[in-house]
Amino acid sequence: KNQVEQSPQSLIILEGKNCTLQCNYTVSPFSNLRWYKQDTGRGPVSLTIMTFSENTKSNGRYTATLDADTKQSSLHITASQLSDSASYICVVSDRGSTLGRLYFGRGTQLTVWP
Amino acid sequence: EADIYQTPRYLVIGTGKKITLECSQTMGHDKMYWYQQDPGMELHLIHYSYGVNSTEKGDLSSESTVSRIRTEHFPLTLESARPSHTSQYLCASSESTISTDTQYFGPGTRLTVL
Repeated sequence: KNQVEQSPQSLIILEGKNCTLQCNYTVSPFSNLRWYKQDTGRGPVSLTIMTFSENTKSNGRYTATLDADTKQSSLHITASQLSDSASYICVVSDRGSTLGRLYFGRGTQLTVWP
Repeated sequence: EADIYQTPRYLVIGTGKKITLECSQTMGHDKMYWYQQDPGMELHLIHYSYGVNSTEKGDLSSESTVSRIRTEHFPLTLESARPSHTSQYLCASSESTISTDTQYFGPGTRLTVL
């Protein structure tokens, strides 16, 4: 069964600290993996996308990694800010075509305290 | 920031009422989507459209219906709302039909059926 599992479910860190969020998937075949940030009461916004051949992708203070062999991805946030408080959702696609289907994780709820 | 809009943002309504959730995008995207998201849970695709006069059911069965008469407009209708329809509804669009294309989300409509 194609699934996307994220951990931890929730995380609280102090402003300025780093953190790493995990995503494990069983989706097959695999086309790409995307991380979204969803602020409370808003729609998700794409942070990064990685295909099979990419193992790291950065977007400012966000760095995503992908290990396609172990089917694991992580999102590392450096020097966290209060505005990083949000839900971070891992999304995996099984095909890079019109037949591609997206599998969503439940997200990690990150809270950054001052 | 994506140019995709949803109205209303919040709706509280009684059982049995007919409701229409509006979604509009000004990016000229052909593909549009409706997702349902409960708190702490993953997004579930309930409807999508490849273009004008094209509508398809998503992965999650839904009693709602959609229409696509204009490229920029993708409304969702519930003929008779029930408490089980209480949820957040997110609309999204993408430029093309391949899965590597970014989906841009609207801010969502939070529906409560009493």
